[in-house]
Amino acid sequence: AQTVTQSQPEMSVQEAETVTLSCTYDTSENNYYLFWYKQPPSRQMILVIRQEAYKQQNATENRFSVNFQKAAKSFSLKISDSQLGDTAMYFCAFMKPSYGGSQGNLIFGKGTKLSVKP
Amino acid sequence: GAVVSQHPSWVICKSGTSVKIECRSLDFQATTMFWYRQFPKQSLMLMATSNEGSKATYEQGVEKDKFLINHASLTLSTLTVTSAHPEDSSFYICSARPWGAGRGATNEKLFFGSGTQLSVL
Repeated sequence: AQTVTQSQPEMSVQEAETVTLSCTYDTSENNYYLFWYKQPPSRQMILVIRQEAYKQQNATENRFSVNFQKAAKSFSLKISDSQLGDTAMYFCAFMKPSYGGSQGNLIFGKGTKLSVKP
Repeated sequence: GAVVSQHPSWVICKSGTSVKIECRSLDFQATTMFWYRQFPKQSLMLMATSNEGSKATYEQGVEKDKFLINHASLTLSTLTVTSAHPEDSSFYICSARPWGAGRGATNEKLFFGSGTQLSVL
């Protein structure tokens, strides 16, 4: 079974600075997807970034980028130029592809509460 | 972007009554929808997977007779909490996977509803 571990329950960062959230996972699969979701106080789940395991290039989305280390099963999220609106819970998630018999559901880590301070 | 509508946003009910939560994909078809449960300050836990036109698959420990799931069309799944009790109070979130998502597909991702806060008195 797949597991996702986020070892930082809470983190804080000053506005405009950079912060990195850690995530490790365990799987025997070779092909899969990894995600970072943001959950602000509204509790709406918002997709931040997505990485396909068969792609070596790290995904980037504006101020958000990942450091994907497949051999180490590590998937960290870097937020540059942090903004007050980045304050939220961040969940790392794993998904097996929907082909090959998987339903394609997400397995979540326990989350990291990020506070951006002015 | 893909939109998933979930209703109601919050509901308060008396113990012993049943509550139905709807999850609709507004601009795409979803053969598979997922229902998650989230307790305060905790992560999302998968309750069940619903496939259009077939019976839902429940995770271990989730009572299928208590949490009835129906996925009658490619755009609608419902979760009915039957005979609700205070311990069922929680935040319920649905998510949907677009039809046609497959090998290497860019739509191999899930889209989430806005969630339903259930409070059972």
